[in-house]
Amino acid sequence: QSALTQPPSASGSPGQSVTISCTGTSSDVGGYNYVSWYQQNPGKAPKLMIHDVSKRPSGVPDRFSGSKSGNTASLTVSGLQGEDEADYYCSSYAGNNIYVFGTGTKVTVL
Amino acid sequence: EVQLVESGGGLVKPGGSLRLSCAASGFTLSNAWMNWVRQAPEKGPEWVGLIKSKIDGGTIDHAAPVKGRFSISIDDSKNTLFLQMNSLTTEDTAVYYCVTERSGSFHDWGQGTLVTVSS
Repeated sequence: QSALTQPPSASGSPGQSVTISCTGTSSDVGGYNYVSWYQQNPGKAPKLMIHDVSKRPSGVPDRFSGSKSGNTASLTVSGLQGEDEADYYCSSYAGNNIYVFGTGTKVTVL
Repeated sequence: EVQLVESGGGLVKPGGSLRLSCAASGFTLSNAWMNWVRQAPEKGPEWVGLIKSKIDGGTIDHAAPVKGRFSISIDDSKNTLFLQMNSLTTEDTAVYYCVTERSGSFHDWGQGTLVTVSS
């Protein structure tokens, strides 16, 4: 099972929006609505930010939103803040009790 | 409050074995879908394997790179999750996390334990 493809980096100024893509196949992203997104700061464990494509866990700001079209999922961070600077990873269920993560995107707040 | 604390990591030679533990509190492990996820240095997370809840049959599955070498189990009396790792290679060097799963997403993560495979 190959890793999902994400752009290595993305950036935006405070207050702007940034969108990160996550491209898979019809066997993972395109086949299930079990796409999730994680934020990871240096030396820390990943933190769930979006699950089931577009749902936010309690405590996650509504500046974070998710969507999916075909084999590509997206995470949008609106109203960028300095604390949003981190690595972001997507993940998808891939059938047969298998899960796959994305390659990761480093978000920089300019 | 859900808390997961991994332990058992360390330095091991290629071909060696190691058993990782994940002590859970705030919930009953056997009632949850539990996963191991690892992250090699400067790389993204990689799913290692899962054990489903007892009510869902307790099915165990592992990712292809570790199948036949790694094994997940639970000690109900200690509310502890284990990952037995055999025939280790340098490719297995990573931080290993135990993670709860709901609806195909990974909700609660431990702090991780570092496994280094090197001669």
